[in-house]
Amino acid sequence: QKEVEQNSGPLSVPEGAIASLNCTYSDRVSQSFFWYRQYSGKSPELIMSIYSNGDKEDGRFTAQLNKASQYVSLLIRDSQPSDSATYLCAVDGQAGTALIFGKGTTLSVSS
Amino acid sequence: DAGVIQSPRHEVTEMGQEVTLRCKPISGHDYLFWYRQTMMRGLELLIYFNNNVPIDDSGMPEDRFSAKMPNASFSTLKIQPSEPRDSAVYFCASSSPGANTGELFFGEGSRLTVL
Repeated sequence: QKEVEQNSGPLSVPEGAIASLNCTYSDRVSQSFFWYRQYSGKSPELIMSIYSNGDKEDGRFTAQLNKASQYVSLLIRDSQPSDSATYLCAVDGQAGTALIFGKGTTLSVSS
Repeated sequence: DAGVIQSPRHEVTEMGQEVTLRCKPISGHDYLFWYRQTMMRGLELLIYFNNNVPIDDSGMPEDRFSAKMPNASFSTLKIQPSEPRDSAVYFCASSSPGANTGELFFGEGSRLTVL
């Protein structure tokens, strides 16, 4: 059974710091990896996708993928209080299959 | 353009009652997913459809749960009879044709409380 593991947190960082969120997955054939952000009481929204090994940057967000280690991470630079949310890691096993989500890491950014 | 629309937003019912949750996906999207979210278990996939056909229902907890998609613009998730352990937020999501199925657009969710 496919599993996606995340540290539940909470991860607390001061405003302006770098927040590092980590995720491991069990299915070696997984091809696509996603980070969703979920504010309290709201629905998840996609913020990053990554498909190949290495780094992918989008503004203050950087996703990192290491398929050999089955490891995905999300870095948030210059963290803002508005980044306080739960971040869900999601993995797609094969083309046409649905996403499997981790339980999420709660991030708290203090001003 | 309207997003994924779910109803009801909140439902409080008593154990044993039938519950029907409804979803209208984004027009033109050919994948539709039902997820359930609880604190203990996180976001769990229940079932998903492609072009109105159920593809994988292995996440449906038991026979009390059923889902249908009679056409491209409507889906229902039914629980009969409901139990307190079914209390959760139920999300419907859709994705567009040709896009990786990981780029999901979620509705606002239906919060179900079974007393």
